[in-house]
Amino acid sequence: QVQLVESGGGLVKPGGSLRLSCAASGFTFSDYYMSWIRQAPGKGLEWVSYISSSGSTIYYADSVKGRFTISRDNAKNSLYLQMNSLRAEDTAVYYCARDRGFPSAFDIWGQGTMVTVSS
Amino acid sequence: DIQMTQSPSSLSASVGDRVTITCRASQSISSYLNWYQQKPGKAPKLLIYAASSLQSGVPSRFSGSGSGTDFTLTISSLQPEDFATYYCQQSYSTPCTFGQGTRLEIK
Repeated sequence: QVQLVESGGGLVKPGGSLRLSCAASGFTFSDYYMSWIRQAPGKGLEWVSYISSSGSTIYYADSVKGRFTISRDNAKNSLYLQMNSLRAEDTAVYYCARDRGFPSAFDIWGQGTMVTVSS
Repeated sequence: DIQMTQSPSSLSASVGDRVTITCRASQSISSYLNWYQQKPGKAPKLLIYAASSLQSGVPSRFSGSGSGTDFTLTISSLQPEDFATYYCQQSYSTPCTFGQGTRLEIK
């Protein structure tokens, strides 16, 4: 079945780094734009970054620009988020999500992976 | 960035009630408005896309309407499984942005 599974979350100290992965299955991964979306504890949803199907177009939220890098490996059906210079305010559950295409909406979500930034 | 404002922030209702949640955009977003349902500890689930199109598999008691800046999500007859938090999201421009959420609780 169509599925996204995130991994790589954990506890990291401020200023540290973490790399999240998202494994896709059940659909042609290379056909879809993908995004990372996060949710701080008890808070709402915040879009973080997206990458086009080929990887040629990338956008970031201002809150992570210059610190986070999104990438994908279509041969491995995988999406990644490299997070550097982590801050306490980056603490959140991170979801990968598939964009259904025009008109855009996030139609498939992973279960999420928790990132905690604390000393 | 386009700001999305939902009202109310929380709502108490009973099984069988008709419920409406409103979402307002800070500028016109045409019909590029999506609705999601999120239950505690779970990922969001797409309910409605493009303001009024029902996502496959979503019960027909959910409906969406609106265009421009004002949108509504209506649940025609609340079921026990509908008690959750609902988010609107605009996909008109990057960055896409979400409303703050509406928590629907059992009365």
